[in-house]
Amino acid sequence: DADVTQTPRNRITKTGKRIMLECSQTKGHDRMYWYRQDPGLGLRLIYYSFDVKDINKGEISDGYSVSRQAQAKFSLSLESAIPNQTALYFCATSDRGGDRAPTGELFFGEGSRLTVL
Amino acid sequence: GEDVEQSLFLSVREGDSSVINCTYTDSSSTYLYWYKQEPGAGLQLLTYIFSNMDMKQDQRLTVLLNKKDKHLSLRIADTQTGDSAIYFCAESPNDYKLSFGAGTTVTVRA
Repeated sequence: DADVTQTPRNRITKTGKRIMLECSQTKGHDRMYWYRQDPGLGLRLIYYSFDVKDINKGEISDGYSVSRQAQAKFSLSLESAIPNQTALYFCATSDRGGDRAPTGELFFGEGSRLTVL
Repeated sequence: GEDVEQSLFLSVREGDSSVINCTYTDSSSTYLYWYKQEPGAGLQLLTYIFSNMDMKQDQRLTVLLNKKDKHLSLRIADTQTGDSAIYFCAESPNDYKLSFGAGTTVTVRA
C-alpha cells in the first residue's frame, strides 16, 4: 500500500461544482502539503500544514481551501471549480526535520488529475 | 516556480551521459534537490546536495553546485531507458517549503 494515498485519482467536473480531493498518509509525518502541477510551470504550492492546528497559504491559494482533519488526513477543496483549475494535484508529506537531513525531503502521492469543463 | 529555472527538454542516446542544468535564486537555501517523476507517478527524491558542498557523487549520479553563479547540475552517467522521466530541481528558501523548477523531460532513445 502507498504511504501517501490520494483520492480520487481522476475526476472530471463542470464549472461551478464543488470538488474535494482527499489525502491520507501512513508515514506519521506532521507536515502535509498540496501542490498543483501544470506543464511548463512545474509544481506550485497551494497550502501547507505543519500540524493539525496549523494551516498556511502557499503561493497560489486563491480559489482553494483545505482542512486538516487529523494528523494523517489533509483535504483540498475547490468551492466553485473553474477551467483554469484543470491540473494534476499532488499531496505530499515531510518529517519534522531538525537534525535529520535532508529536511526538505517530500514524499508524494500519485496525484489526482482534475479536469474542469 | 519562477525562482528556479531549468530547460524543459533533453534527448539523449542510451549509454551516453545526460546533463540537466538548473539556476536558482535564493542563496540562503540549505539544501538543493533533484526529484524524479516517472510517468503516472508522484515525485521522488533522487539526490540532494548540502549548500557548502561543490560536488556529490552517488553511483551514476553526479551533482555539481556553483554557489557563486547559483547553478546546479545533475549528470547521469550511462543513461538507461529507465532514466526517462521528468527531473525537477528544487531549492529550499526555508527548510520546509521547497520551490521547484518547471522540470526537464528527459527522453532516452535507443
